[in-house]
Amino acid sequence: DADVTQTPRNRITKTGKRIMLECSQTKGHDRMYWYRQDPGLGLRLIYYSFDVKDINKGEISDGYSVSRQAQAKFSLSLESAIPNQTALYFCATSAASVRGDQPQHFGDGTRLSIL
Amino acid sequence: GDSVTQMEGPVTLSEEAFLTINCTYTATGYPSLFWYVQYPGEGLQLLLKATKADDKGSNKGFEATYRKETTSFHLEKGSVQVSDSAVYFCALSEGGSQGNLIFGKGTKLSVKP
Repeated sequence: DADVTQTPRNRITKTGKRIMLECSQTKGHDRMYWYRQDPGLGLRLIYYSFDVKDINKGEISDGYSVSRQAQAKFSLSLESAIPNQTALYFCATSAASVRGDQPQHFGDGTRLSIL
Repeated sequence: GDSVTQMEGPVTLSEEAFLTINCTYTATGYPSLFWYVQYPGEGLQLLLKATKADDKGSNKGFEATYRKETTSFHLEKGSVQVSDSAVYFCALSEGGSQGNLIFGKGTKLSVKP
């Protein structure tokens, strides 16, 4: 979805390095999410934000932090990368919904390899 | 907690075959249900959704019906094409204070000419 842009698309780095993955959106959505995809495990939620001042931990937040710099920007940081954080990372956005019936829109992902 | 279970793959079919990918869910309330598709090298795209019992979502020849009595949302297509080769994810959202998607583990479909 070109409306959700992730940078970089690929990154190889070493254990212990600090890494930032960035996400920007032009959909005007308030809600943004970071997921991690591992083979055979589906997608797991790392953090989510319902607006600039609202940040929440997801299922697997340990070892990660986030920053919501603006409505359109949501970045994910790995403070000290470790090899088991090697994965495909997705950013997603959605409109607000009390019933949860609004779909999420995904970026094309960042493939992160930690050596 | 809420969960989604979908049939494990990979699934390999010949072109024009009938497709079913099973999905069942566990939820405390009345979730919205989704099918997403992931083509190689791309992010997930919404394929279809249903927001209440007995609703049928449909798109690109795919269909799924929200069955509350069996807590299921099986994906079907009458005649698959090579271009349907992808990974398919079933997901639910309960809304409320979280509104997060809970995903199944995905089913890889390969369609052979």
